Amino acid sequence: EIVLTQSPGTLSLSPGERATLSCRASQSVSSSYLTWYQQKPGQAPRFLIYGASSRATGIPDRFSGSGSGTDFTLTISRLEPEDFAVYYCQQYGSSPYTFGQGTKLEIK
Amino acid sequence: QVQLVQSGAEIKKPGASVKVSCRASGYTFTSYYVHWVRQAPGQGLEWMGIINPSSGSTTYAQKLQGRVTMTRDMSTSTVYMELSSLRSEDTAVYYCARLSSLAYYFEYWGQGTLVTVSS
Repeated sequence: EIVLTQSPGTLSLSPGERATLSCRASQSVSSSYLTWYQQKPGQAPRFLIYGASSRATGIPDRFSGSGSGTDFTLTISRLEPEDFAVYYCQQYGSSPYTFGQGTKLEIK
Repeated sequence: QVQLVQSGAEIKKPGASVKVSCRASGYTFTSYYVHWVRQAPGQGLEWMGIINPSSGSTTYAQKLQGRVTMTRDMSTSTVYMELSSLRSEDTAVYYCARLSSLAYYFEYWGQGTLVTVSS
């Protein structure tokens, strides 16, 4: 099983600041199979970045993804109030299709 | 448009079973696998398993093997997830989800079904 470890667990920042979220895999994951999701309270997750670096339709360009192999990063260049949420990475490279434990992005 | 509509909230006693449904519409039911993902209160997302609606074949997370069963009804385009021998740790929101047609990510999600296990 591929374990995804996200860091930090909680990130406290202010609107306008830059956020950098990390996702580290216990084994190499093909970039094609690495996705980032955003989840707000009471809602299902929403996909943001797929294939490690491709933005989904309608996702603002302040969101970007990068990385390969075992290290992946989600960057939010300038935080907007609506960006404060929990973010998960997920791999679809091999079953079980595991998620990271999440990074909570909170307002400082 | 693609929709996944789940059944309503359930309250169950420890040791009982629960069966959650997920009705698909807006696409060819047999063309896309359906996954189940759960989320305990205040916790992260846990992938539970997958069903191929065309063949009925399934793959389950090892942790749930022996307690989870996923089935489908092709006449109603509905998939089911049944979890038996419920314990308090199974209290969670259960989601069905479908991959995008373009890449390997969950584009479509059901609205979630809260299952509460309590004596």
